[in-house]
Amino acid sequence: AQKVTQAQTEISVVEKEDVTLDCVYETRDTTYYLFWYKQPPSGELVFLIRRNSFDEQNEISGRYSWNFQKSTSSFNFTITASQVVDSAVYFCALSEATRQVRNQGGKLIFGQGTELSVKP
Amino acid sequence: DAGITQSPRHKVTETGTPVTLRCHQTENHRYMYWYRQDPGHGLRLIHYSYGVKDTDKGEVSDGYSVSRSKTEDFLLTLESATSSQTSVYFCAISDLDGSVAFFGQGTRLTVV
Repeated sequence: AQKVTQAQTEISVVEKEDVTLDCVYETRDTTYYLFWYKQPPSGELVFLIRRNSFDEQNEISGRYSWNFQKSTSSFNFTITASQVVDSAVYFCALSEATRQVRNQGGKLIFGQGTELSVKP
Repeated sequence: DAGITQSPRHKVTETGTPVTLRCHQTENHRYMYWYRQDPGHGLRLIHYSYGVKDTDKGEVSDGYSVSRSKTEDFLLTLESATSSQTSVYFCAISDLDGSVAFFGQGTRLTVV
C-alpha cells in the first residue's frame, strides 16, 4: 500500500536559517510521482514540484531544492535562507502510475504535513 | 490559476441533514478528486473520478457519495451529516496520471 510519512510535525526557525523538511514514502510500484505542495495561512494548496521515479536528479529552484533518493525512499525539501513568507504547512504526496485494471492511477496520497514557522 | 470552483465556500449544517458540495472545473480534465483536511491527518482522499460516471472510493469514503454526470462537475454528498464530518473539503483536478493536481479553494463545513 502507498504511504507517505512526514515525521516532522512542526519546525520553527529564525529567518535566514536553512531548513530541511523530510519526506519518506512507501510504494510497490516502480513508476510513481512525488510532489510537494505548500499551504500558506490563507489556506490554498500551491504546487511546488513534481518528480517521477525515473529521475533522481536533484532540483534547485531559487531558494528551494529537492533531494530525491530512491535507495532510502526519501524526497526531502530544503529551503535556503528562509524568509517569513515561507511560513506555511508543507505537504509531500505520492501518486502511482495508472494501473491497467479499473483506472486506479492518479490518486494523490498525502503525508500529514509539516508546519514551518519562520520567525523574524 | 486552474479553473476550479468549489461551492459553497462555507456551510454550517445540522446533524442528520443531507449536504452536497459542488466542484466545477473549466479545464476539461479527466480526473477529479475530493479530499478532506483535518488537523494531524493531512489530506485524505474521499472519492475520485476518472471520467463521467466513473468513480471510485478513497481511503475515507464511509458516509460520502459522489456523482459525475458531466466532465466539469463532481458532486460530493453527505447523506446524513455527522459531527465527525466537520472538516475542510478540497476538490482537485488533473489531466493525466501523475500530472500535477490543482486544488480548489476549499469548503469549510461545520456540522453542529
